[in-house]
Amino acid sequence: GENVEQHPSTLSVQEGDSAVIKCTYSDSASNYFPWYKQELGKRPQLIIDIRSNVGEKKDQRIAVTLNKTAKHFSLHITETQPEDSAVYFCAASMNFGNEKLTFGTGTRLTIIP
Amino acid sequence: EAEVAQSPRYKITEKSQAVAFWCDPISGHATLYWYRQILGQGPELLVQFQDESVVDDSQLPKDRFSAERLKGVDSTLKIQPAELGDSAMYLCASSLAQRQGEQYFGPGTRLTVT
Repeated sequence: GENVEQHPSTLSVQEGDSAVIKCTYSDSASNYFPWYKQELGKRPQLIIDIRSNVGEKKDQRIAVTLNKTAKHFSLHITETQPEDSAVYFCAASMNFGNEKLTFGTGTRLTIIP
Repeated sequence: EAEVAQSPRYKITEKSQAVAFWCDPISGHATLYWYRQILGQGPELLVQFQDESVVDDSQLPKDRFSAERLKGVDSTLKIQPAELGDSAMYLCASSLAQRQGEQYFGPGTRLTVT
C-alpha cells in the first residue's frame, strides 16, 4: 500500500519568513495530493491540493509543488503569520481523491512573533 | 457553508462497553469515510462508503468495529467491546462525486476508554 513520509516533524519560523514542508510517497499510482491544516482540537481543513497533471499550484501565500518522477511534493507558505501556527498534514490518494487518503505524520509549525 | 456533522463530540467509556458514533455528511456527498486519528499522528482510514455500499474496510478491525450507512446518507460507527487502545479521535469525512476528490472532515468524536 501507499506510504507517505513527511518532514520536518516540527518547524519554527520567524513571522514574515517562509516555511517549507516536504513529503514523499511510494506508490506511483497516486495522483491526488492534498494538504490539510489542523489546529489544536479542531477538524483537518483542506488548504490546497494538486493533481498529478499539474506541477505547481498557488493560492495567495500558499503554494504546492509536485515532482512525479521523484515522487515528492512540498508545501510552501510565504510571509508567515501567527495564525499559520498549526499542524500540517500532507496526504496522497489514487483515483483523483476518490479513494482513501494516506496521510503523512504531520508537521507542527510554530510562527514566532 | 455546509459542514460534516458528528456526534457526540466527546465520549468517555469503560473498556468492554459498547460505543457508537454518528456522522451526517454534506448534503449530496455520495462518498463517506471514517478515519481514526491517534494523538500526534495522521488520520488512518477505517472504512469508506460509496452511497450505502462499503468500498474499503480493509483496515477496520471487524471483530469489534462495525459501520453502516443504511440509506446512503448518514452513518454510524460502532465499537463493541471497546478496548483501551481504541482511545483516539474518530473523524468522518465526505466527498462529492467522481473526479472531485476533496474530502471535507467533520469535527470528530474524541473517545477515551478507561
